Amino acid sequence: DIVMTQTPLSLSVTPGQPASISCKSSQSLLHSDGKTYLYWYLQKPGQSPQLLIYEVSNRLSGVPDRFSGSGSGTDFILKVSRVEAEDVGLYYCMQSIQLPYTFGQGTKLEIK
Amino acid sequence: EVQLVESGGGLVQPGRSLRLSCSASGFTFGDYVMSWVRQAPGKGLEWVGFIRSKVYGGTTEYAASVKGRFTISRDDFKSIAYLQMSSLKTEDTAVYYCTRDRLNDPDFDYWGQGTLVTVSS
Repeated sequence: DIVMTQTPLSLSVTPGQPASISCKSSQSLLHSDGKTYLYWYLQKPGQSPQLLIYEVSNRLSGVPDRFSGSGSGTDFILKVSRVEAEDVGLYYCMQSIQLPYTFGQGTKLEIK
Repeated sequence: EVQLVESGGGLVQPGRSLRLSCSASGFTFGDYVMSWVRQAPGKGLEWVGFIRSKVYGGTTEYAASVKGRFTISRDDFKSIAYLQMSSLKTEDTAVYYCTRDRLNDPDFDYWGQGTLVTVSS
């Protein structure tokens, strides 16, 4: 199975400041079809997870542009340019290049 | 508006069975892969399995932890996906989410509210 490793596991950010979460996979997520099967989800407190970013860097419709994803191969980053109170929750990366789909452990974002 | 509503969760003894349902609306159900993802209390997300659309044979895939015990099925006429769970173990205790895969992409763009399954004697 592909292991997804997120760092840090928690971070506390002042509103308006940036935040960054790293996700590393144990195997390359670049498929022969040219797509990289890396996704980011946010689970707000008490809610179901929601898809933020697909294929490394594409924001789902409605996701604020302060969220951005980057990376390639096995190393990926989710950045929040200016954290807002509504951004608190657990962030998960996920790979779906290979079964079983696997998630990172989750990164808890809190507001200072 | 796309909606996914899970039902069927509850308290069940180890070794028993339970069937979860996911009622879908707001989209052409038969065109989409439907998946199940679970979250044990205080833990992270775990993919359980999915069922492909009939166009792709309606075949299923499962996580190793549930393979042979869980079965995913679908009724495209009723727009319902099912998760039949048998030989339940205490470690199957979790909130079970029904999800829709984005069309032609292996990710989950819509999630249900989840239903809690507690396996305990």
